[in-house]
Amino acid sequence: DTGVSQDPRHKITKRGQNVTFRCDPISEHNRLYWYRQTLGQGPEFLTYFQNEAQLEKSRLLSDRFSAERPKGSFSTLEIQRTEQGDSAMYLCASSLGSGPYEQYFGPGTRLTVT
Amino acid sequence: AQSVSQHNHHVILSEAASLELGCNYSYGGTVNLFWYVQYPGQHLQLLLKYFSGDPLVKGIKGFEAEFIKSKFSFNLRKPSVQWSDTAEYFCAVSNNQGGKLIFGQGTELSVKP
Repeated sequence: DTGVSQDPRHKITKRGQNVTFRCDPISEHNRLYWYRQTLGQGPEFLTYFQNEAQLEKSRLLSDRFSAERPKGSFSTLEIQRTEQGDSAMYLCASSLGSGPYEQYFGPGTRLTVT
Repeated sequence: AQSVSQHNHHVILSEAASLELGCNYSYGGTVNLFWYVQYPGQHLQLLLKYFSGDPLVKGIKGFEAEFIKSKFSFNLRKPSVQWSDTAEYFCAVSNNQGGKLIFGQGTELSVKP
């Protein structure tokens, strides 16, 4: 299966620590998206890339969040100085490109901040 | 503001009952519409999509949806549900340049055997 993969699948951290998540998209996909999902809600957009360029970042995303996709392949999402409100499922998705293509989702990274 | 509204938070049906889940959106310009499903313990999967053309689209597992532009709606239907359809269903919208998805809050479907 060459779907979207995410690592780690689960992360427990203490408030104030930094965490980094990785996403590997489907190999031929040049768009990569990050979303956050909390219990009982639909996924909420965070940011997305076309190749290595970050094209849009949600206004809801605080300065503690940063994402990179340095070589246009995998991407990392870092959260600095984590807060309890950051506890959520972080989802990654990828798509073929700029057009009417569906997004394929990974399994997510569940973050728990204690 | 761009938004998607799903009318039902939790739907409980018996097997063989018909299903209709409501979805309305608020979005300027040309839209692409999606229904995603999340089975227990699994990741989000695409059920069906509308990009253009015939407003009645068919997806996997016998699901279909109808795009009614005048009503800003994209309701999901299935004539006869099965226990295996128990899952959470999300309606989503994006622009036609492959941008971000805006999701509804989801509808949890429970099918009783």
